[in-house]
Amino acid sequence: GIQVEQSPPDLILQEGANSTLRCNFSDSVNNLQWFHQNPWGQLINLFYIPSGTKQNGRLSATTVATERYSLLYISSSQTTDSGVYFCAVGPTGNQFYFGTGTSLTVIP
Amino acid sequence: NAGVTQTPKFRVLKTGQSMTLLCAQDMNHEYMYWYRQDPGMGLRLIHYSVGEGTTAKGEVPDGYNVSRLKKQNFLLGLESAAPSQTSVYFCASRPGQGYYGYTFGSGTRLTVV
Repeated sequence: GIQVEQSPPDLILQEGANSTLRCNFSDSVNNLQWFHQNPWGQLINLFYIPSGTKQNGRLSATTVATERYSLLYISSSQTTDSGVYFCAVGPTGNQFYFGTGTSLTVIP
Repeated sequence: NAGVTQTPKFRVLKTGQSMTLLCAQDMNHEYMYWYRQDPGMGLRLIHYSVGEGTTAKGEVPDGYNVSRLKKQNFLLGLESAAPSQTSVYFCASRPGQGYYGYTFGSGTRLTVV
């Protein structure tokens, strides 16, 4: 399967700080998603972004498919942003390969 | 709307026992998925379905069977549970072709002893 590497593995931020999470993948893909798993385990889809840039409030994402990476930006972080952020990529819309995630802790 | 509902939320099985996990969605989604999540890892796809009556294997299908007899339900079965199947199981769904935003259930924590 496709290898997905996320960095950094762990991140601790002061509330209000900005951060960039990175996702590198080993093969060309047509599909890429970012997810947030909150401390209670619930998974929420943040972006479906196979290429280009999207923004949703304080979050934005950019995927450069030709260079096989994607970035998730979190601005003005809040404690509710804490959790694990997963990148998932796939050659089709049904077979997604997940990275091991970036664990984010936002401190008040 | 409830979204995606998984039952049970927790279960402890003895090695060799069987059980069925139920995933129900009320959004009229065509596609449904079963994933497992092990500690420190991302999710891995077990099986999926692209419509009522269809199923397909994912990345880690061995030891599991699935059925999609009704559009709103996707069942995951373990015929003879093994300790290696201790995991958190997530069900997800999406509307269909051309839309890829997944909706996840809240998970089932399964322990096999």
